Amino acid sequence: DTGVSQNPRHKITKRGQNVTFRCDPISEHNRLYWYRQTLGQGPEFLTYFQNEAQLEKSRLLSDRFSAERPKGSFSTLEIQRTEQGDSAMYLCASSLAYGKSSYNSPLHFGNGTRLTVT
Amino acid sequence: DAKTTQPPSMDCAEGRAANLPCNHSTISGNEYVYWYRQIHSQGPQYIIHGLKNNETNEMASLIITEDRKSSTLILPHATLRDTAVYYCIVRVGDNYGQNFVFGPGTRLSVL
Repeated sequence: DTGVSQNPRHKITKRGQNVTFRCDPISEHNRLYWYRQTLGQGPEFLTYFQNEAQLEKSRLLSDRFSAERPKGSFSTLEIQRTEQGDSAMYLCASSLAYGKSSYNSPLHFGNGTRLTVT
Repeated sequence: DAKTTQPPSMDCAEGRAANLPCNHSTISGNEYVYWYRQIHSQGPQYIIHGLKNNETNEMASLIITEDRKSSTLILPHATLRDTAVYYCIVRVGDNYGQNFVFGPGTRLSVL
C-alpha cells in the first residue's frame, strides 16, 4: 500500500520542547496538506503546499509552527516551544492536481501523528 | 465554518442499509460534495464525491437531490467495520485546503 505515511505515530514531549513530524505523500501527488484534529472535533486546516511552495496558511498556524516541503516530496511540520494546547492529532493529506482535474481530486489522508504535551 | 449540516449520531442494524443525510442548502454551482469517514485513531478515509449526478463505487452510493441542497450517503449492507464518524464536505472548485472544511460529522454505530 503506497498511501500517505506519517512518522512518528505517537510523540510525547514536555512543555517547551521542540518536535518535528514527517509526512511522505503518495508519490505522484503534487499537493500536500497539514491538518490538526483535537478530541471530538473534525480536522482543521493548517497549511498547504503545491510542490515545494507553501501557498496557504491558516490563522491556527502560530509563529511557533513551521512547515517545509524542500524538494516537493516529503514534508516536515515543526512545533517550537510546545504548549499543552498543542496536544492533538496532526494529519497530513495529499492530492494530485493539474488542469481541470484539480477541481475534483480528493485528498488522501495519512493516519496522523498523535502529540501529547505534558 | 462548515457549510454542511449532519445529524450528530445514527444507529444502523448490521446487514441493513445505512442512509446518512447531509444538508448543504448554500451550495453553489461549482461545489462538489465529498464524503469521508474516520475510524478511531485513524486518518479520514475518502469514500466518494459528486457534483450533481448520483455516484456509486465499491464502498457506497451518493444520492444528490436535483436542487443539490442535500445528499445522502448509502452504505448498502452495513457491517460492524462501518462504525465510524462520517463527514460530509462541500468544497469549492479548486484544491485549496481552506475550502475543505470538516464539520463534526455523524457518528454511525452499526449494531
